[in-house]
Amino acid sequence: GQQLNQSPQSMFIQEGEDVSMNCTSSSIFNTWLWYKQDPGEGPVLLIALYKAGELTSNGRLTAQFGITRKDSFLNISASIPSDVGIYFCAGMNYGGSQGNLIFGKGTKLSVKP
Amino acid sequence: NAGVMQNPRHLVRRRGQEARLRCSPMKGHSHVYWYRQLPEEGLKFMVYLQKENIIDESGMPKERFSAEFPKEGPSILRIQQVVRGDSAAYFCASSPRKNTGVNEQYFGPGTRLTVT
Repeated sequence: GQQLNQSPQSMFIQEGEDVSMNCTSSSIFNTWLWYKQDPGEGPVLLIALYKAGELTSNGRLTAQFGITRKDSFLNISASIPSDVGIYFCAGMNYGGSQGNLIFGKGTKLSVKP
Repeated sequence: NAGVMQNPRHLVRRRGQEARLRCSPMKGHSHVYWYRQLPEEGLKFMVYLQKENIIDESGMPKERFSAEFPKEGPSILRIQQVVRGDSAAYFCASSPRKNTGVNEQYFGPGTRLTVT
């Protein structure tokens, strides 16, 4: 089945730093979604991407749908303490009876001690 | 403007008992998805339902697990004769499934099932 590799697995941030994470897939998707999950909560949708090459921003967050349709990245600029959490990429091939999301294993953002 | 509702938030069951997890989608959403998450893992798809129809259950174990989304009321994920390996967080998501191709899925807060 399709697999998503998300990296890095974890990273430490200092307030004000820019953060970058990415996902690569073994096969193509026609939709990429990025979610953030806080402990004990459900994932919250951050950005949705529907076209290869698409670059979309949501405040300090920017995500891109790779041209090959097999990858996507998420950037967070000027990080703040509330950015801490786990970020998941998810890919989907929408159409027909398909609609399930395939998730990466997450990138855990923590604050530098 | 309520989001996706799930209950209970926490559920403890002994081995062999039944677990029933409920999900009410966002208003106006007619598509429901169930996912399972183990600690330190991403979410894994289980089943996709519309009202009174199972569209895709390819991610659901063949035995002991079942799901429904009746015409009235919430979607139910049912696990019979639970085992310790069923302990996980179960998330429900809903989407409007517009014909435009926009298919963003919005997640509920999850039900944390613990089997003792």
